[in-house]
Amino acid sequence: AQTVTQSQPEMSVQEAETVTLSCTYDTSESDYYLFWYKQPPSRQMILVIRQEAYKQQNATENRFSVNFQKAAKSFSLKISDSQLGDAAMYFCAYGAGGYQKVTFGIGTKLQVIP
Amino acid sequence: DGGITQSPKYLFRKEGQNVTLSCEQNLNHDAMYWYRQDPGQGLRLIYYSQIVNDFQKGDIAEGYSVSREKKESFPLTVTSAQKNPTAFYLCASSMAGYEQYFGPGTRLTVT
Repeated sequence: AQTVTQSQPEMSVQEAETVTLSCTYDTSESDYYLFWYKQPPSRQMILVIRQEAYKQQNATENRFSVNFQKAAKSFSLKISDSQLGDAAMYFCAYGAGGYQKVTFGIGTKLQVIP
Repeated sequence: DGGITQSPKYLFRKEGQNVTLSCEQNLNHDAMYWYRQDPGQGLRLIYYSQIVNDFQKGDIAEGYSVSREKKESFPLTVTSAQKNPTAFYLCASSMAGYEQYFGPGTRLTVT
């Protein structure tokens, strides 16, 4: 069974600084997808970024980027120029198969300090 | 606007009663999913459906039932057999090989 591990229950960052959230996963599949979702206090789950395992290039979306290390099964999220609106729970997730049966980590709570 | 709706946002029931949570999507997605979220446990998959009239159990299906009579709708029934039904429930949908999009969730409280 696939597992996703987020070892940082809580993180904090100063506004405008950079923070990295860690995620590791375990799988025997060769073709899969990895995701970071954000859940603000409203509890709406929002996709932040997606990475296909077959792509060597790390995905980026504006201030959000990932460091995907396939051999190490590591998938960290870097948030640059942190903003107050970035404060949320962040979930790392793994998906495989056509309809993406997704496994989620337990989340990291990010606090942004003004 | 395209999206996923869940209703109601808050739901209160007495122990022993079945309750049905609504989930509708107009994204023309084939697959739909139900998750349960508890503090400190992330999201756990209850049921998912890839096509109309077909669905599969997820990791914690006991005490829950679903139906998929229409592509747009995937209601979840929390039965009296569910031991700890109080939780936040999230519905999602996706196309094959793509990320899941989530509804706003329903907070169910059973007393």
